[in-house]
Amino acid sequence: AQRVTQPEKLLSVFKGAPVELKCNYSYSGSPELFWYVQYSRQRLQLLLRHISRESIKGFTADLNKGETSFHLKKPFAQEEDSAMYYCALSISGGYQKVTFGTGTKLQVIP
Amino acid sequence: NAGVTQTPKFQVLKTGQSMTLQCAQDMNHNSMYWYRQDPGMGLRLIYYSASEGTTDKGEVPNGYNVSRLNKREFSLRLESAAPSQTSVYFCASSEWDYGYTFGSGTRLTVV
Repeated sequence: AQRVTQPEKLLSVFKGAPVELKCNYSYSGSPELFWYVQYSRQRLQLLLRHISRESIKGFTADLNKGETSFHLKKPFAQEEDSAMYYCALSISGGYQKVTFGTGTKLQVIP
Repeated sequence: NAGVTQTPKFQVLKTGQSMTLQCAQDMNHNSMYWYRQDPGMGLRLIYYSASEGTTDKGEVPNGYNVSRLNKREFSLRLESAAPSQTSVYFCASSEWDYGYTFGSGTRLTVV
């Protein structure tokens, strides 16, 4: 069975500092990987997908199949980045059945 | 463009009571899902519907039932609520691998 691990429950960084939210996965096939974000009192929303190789709000994530990781990075943290971040893995097949990690709370200190 | 709409937003139930959480999407997505979110445990899949007319159990289905009423609507029913079902419930929909669109959640407390 697939598994997603986010080792940090809380990550505190100062404004302007680099951010790296860690995500490791276990799955024998080729997964689709995502990052979702949940701002305070808001619904979860898709931040980015690895297949798109996009940068959203300054965040990027690179899939490293050798290390089975999909870490989320941003060079300079902003206060508005404070939120809960979930890494997620999907097994393709015409529909998605997504497994989520337990989440990391990012706190950006002014 | 409403996306995914969940009702109600908040609910308090007494142990043993029943209720249905409603979810509707207007994006013509084939797949719909119900998750629960608990502190320290992330999101866990309760049930999903890959397409209209099908439903399947997820990771934590005990105590719940679902109905895929049509392509738009996917409801979650608690037949006899228990305090362990106190949680925040999220409905989501998706199409292929484009990622989920979530509803705003239902905060349920069972006393």
